[in-house]
Amino acid sequence: DIVVTQSPDSLAVSLGERASINCKSSQTLLYRSNNKNYLAWFQQKAGQPPKLLIYWASFREFGVPDRFSASGSGTDFTLTISSLQAEDVAVYYCQQYFRTPYTFGQGTKLEIK
Amino acid sequence: QVQLVESGGGVVQPGKSLRLSCATSGFTFNSHGMHWVRQGPGRGLEWVAVISYDGTNKDYADSVRGRFTISRDNSNNTLYLQMNSLSPADTGLYYCAKDSPLARDWGQGTLVTVSS
Repeated sequence: DIVVTQSPDSLAVSLGERASINCKSSQTLLYRSNNKNYLAWFQQKAGQPPKLLIYWASFREFGVPDRFSASGSGTDFTLTISSLQAEDVAVYYCQQYFRTPYTFGQGTKLEIK
Repeated sequence: QVQLVESGGGVVQPGKSLRLSCATSGFTFNSHGMHWVRQGPGRGLEWVAVISYDGTNKDYADSVRGRFTISRDNSNNTLYLQMNSLSPADTGLYYCAKDSPLARDWGQGTLVTVSS
């Protein structure tokens, strides 16, 4: 199975500051035939289902604010929130959908400092 | 818009069975793969199973393989998860999610509690 590991487990950032979350995969998520990385980022606020933020490692889902961006390829990926807003408090998960089982990272809890 | 509504959760004793349903609307159900994903109390997300748009291809997490069965009724736009031989480790909120392999849209979940 592909193991996906996030860091840090928790993060406290001041309003308006940058927040970055890392995701590392035990195997490459880059499918060379289409040059796509099968990596997604989800946001889960308290009491809500996960919400897709990013797919193909760097493509923002429709309606997601542009303060959310993501990068990376192969085995190392990063989600960045450029200017933290109060409504961004949540747990963030990365997930590989390269191969079943479609494993998630353990989650990163983002709080306001 | 896309709607996914899970049901069928509840309290069940270890070793018993339960069937979850996910009623869908707002999209062409028979054109999309579907997933079940679960979340234990205070825990992270765990992918459970996936089914292709026509039901011919299915796959499972090792933790549920042989006990759970994913299926779909394209005439009624509904996804199912038959869960047998339940254990306390299966306790959690079960979500259905649309699209495969990327789970784009999610329901609100149905809670399964396995306890004696």
